[in-house]
Amino acid sequence: DADVTQTPRNRITKTGKRIMLECSQTKGHDRMYWYRQDPGLGLQLIYYSFDVKDINKGEISDGYSVSRQAQAKFSLSLESAIPNQTALYFCATSEGRDGAEAFFGQGTRLTVV
Amino acid sequence: EDQVTQSPEALRLQEGESSSLNCSYTVSGLRGLFWYRQDPGKGPEFLFTLYSAGEEKEKERLKATLTKKESFLHITAPKPEDSATYLCAVRSNYGGATNKLIFGTGTLLAVQP
Repeated sequence: DADVTQTPRNRITKTGKRIMLECSQTKGHDRMYWYRQDPGLGLQLIYYSFDVKDINKGEISDGYSVSRQAQAKFSLSLESAIPNQTALYFCATSEGRDGAEAFFGQGTRLTVV
Repeated sequence: EDQVTQSPEALRLQEGESSSLNCSYTVSGLRGLFWYRQDPGKGPEFLFTLYSAGEEKEKERLKATLTKKESFLHITAPKPEDSATYLCAVRSNYGGATNKLIFGTGTLLAVQP
């Protein structure tokens, strides 16, 4: 089983719908992240959490919200999806030590029509 | 502003033809430079971490090096299975505890048999 699991892997939704992407990890890491990847733009940070009580906005948080339900679970919500939120979404985790590498899930391909 | 630039955007090699990918960076206090491999539709896979100028890491046909301004990923005698997008990322100490990863847009490598 993957250390960082994202569900669903693919999702098509309509404009205006609320959608939640879920991430769970078995690595025991405190830090969790949500990234968005668009062609030619690289990975952009949406939100990050350093522990269950610590949630922070990233570079592109508008239109998104998150919930850290437990150390192992971090979900991303689109309250009212719009077409330009069509992208590949990745969850990642890392240890709390300075300079730690991040480990990524397999991604969720989201299409908003 | 922290920034990561990768070149070239795309590289086509013949099997066995060695080459290098470049990652140049400007950061406020480097806390690690990371190389990832990403296959189409999948999450980035961690390859290397480099922390200080002069450091080198090797794995099979890949060797990563670091200077104060850039990193190189050298690919020796590549095989078709090395075809992927290679991502570079840095962690800086800007903002104190944020310590977030900043990604380049990647180099798409195609190795032809």
